[in-house]
Amino acid sequence: GAGVSQSPRYKVAKRGQDVALRCDPISGHVSLFWYQQALGQGPEFLTYFQNEAQLDKSGLPSDRFFAERPEGSVSTLKIQRTQQEDSAVYLCASRRGLSYEQYFGPGTRLTVT
Amino acid sequence: GENVEQHPSTLSVQEGDSAVIKCTYSDSASNYFPWYKQELGKRPQLIIDIRSNVGEKKDQRIAVTLNKTAKHFSLHITETQPEDSAVYFCAASGSGGSNYKLTFGKGTLLTVNP
Repeated sequence: GAGVSQSPRYKVAKRGQDVALRCDPISGHVSLFWYQQALGQGPEFLTYFQNEAQLDKSGLPSDRFFAERPEGSVSTLKIQRTQQEDSAVYLCASRRGLSYEQYFGPGTRLTVT
Repeated sequence: GENVEQHPSTLSVQEGDSAVIKCTYSDSASNYFPWYKQELGKRPQLIIDIRSNVGEKKDQRIAVTLNKTAKHFSLHITETQPEDSAVYFCAASGSGGSNYKLTFGKGTLLTVNP
């Protein structure tokens, strides 16, 4: 079946612009995660949804970062007033029910100039 | 919170040799330990995982071992092939209310030379 998809795959933003990154999880997966992967590093947790409820946003680096999943399927990560340090790959992952395995999307590479 | 250390950061082997990557974790409550393979510009792919009630798991050429007492776990790849070349990440996930998010190591760049 179809895996996790993300769009856009690449985004270039000028410093100060707002961006919105989309994640389509695997159909039926109730859990959805966002991670940030800096160049040469492992992914770092940003936020977690179970259905439409955002249960943990402890990893969001600042109040410029906002995530939503209003209908419990597609999720959007929004970054306001982008800064150069926001440049990274943003990965989305989904998980079925209470199982452990997380499946990742291809990521969105954000470059802030 | 959880902290995962991974080494080595780079590993170069000859085709057919074995490769071993080691990770340690800090939270004794962690109970799930996956390994991901990430090729350049691609998504992380789950290749094997182990839960804390098991000491070893094997899938063809790949195996993972877990030592809960010492809080470390390892990935073993036998008979390496050039297509095994990639960055490998270990991760740990806690129990109770925080058993959903993964904490990753910094990755190991494995190069298999033909």
